[in-house]
Amino acid sequence: DQQVKQNSPSLSVQEGRISILNCDYTNSMFDYFLWYKKYPAEGPTFLISISSIKDKNEDGRFTVFLNKSAKHLSLHIVPSQPGDSAVYFCAASAHTPLVFGKGTRLSVIA
Amino acid sequence: DAGVIQSPRHEVTEMGQEVTLRCKPISGHDYLFWYRQTMMRGLELLIYFNNNVPIDDSGMPEDRFSAKMPNASFSTLKIQPSEPRDSAVYFCASSKREAYEQYFGPGTRLTVT
Repeated sequence: DQQVKQNSPSLSVQEGRISILNCDYTNSMFDYFLWYKKYPAEGPTFLISISSIKDKNEDGRFTVFLNKSAKHLSLHIVPSQPGDSAVYFCAASAHTPLVFGKGTRLSVIA
Repeated sequence: DAGVIQSPRHEVTEMGQEVTLRCKPISGHDYLFWYRQTMMRGLELLIYFNNNVPIDDSGMPEDRFSAKMPNASFSTLKIQPSEPRDSAVYFCASSKREAYEQYFGPGTRLTVT
């Protein structure tokens, strides 16, 4: 019973276009959400987060949207660059250690 | 700061042998987490510590796994005896607060033959 689900194992996007990575969760107590990026042979690195009191948080090319009623969040990358090719993990917390999804592999094609 | 440091980066061992993975968290971080990453299960939390005290070890798969944190700057994850199904990448992470951004080490890729 996964509490955080990333239903798309992989995604391919053309350079310059928008990448949209999705994440669903089941625990309504989650109040803090994060996205991590992971390159091969490296540990995950924190990318962006959002509190449940907000529905959008933006940081440069990265924007996270939160839809609490749908228990859904998404990460938008605009414009996508080849260096964005990595595995992206969604994570959530309810004043507890983070619960991670299984990740989505993003490939940005030049 | 050097970030979270893990050693070794790669470990290849034979079934039945003892394996010890090491982690140095970021200075000033009160929380330390051990994760295992596999294709099937993704990132699983094995155990975490607060101020060197184990808080939750419910993710530790079996008694073959044990973890210690003798001081604020060092932790070990031990597998004894190791089995082929333990093959995975093991990550250590640290953070200032329990439900806050965690900073991960580069991981240890363990292969048990």
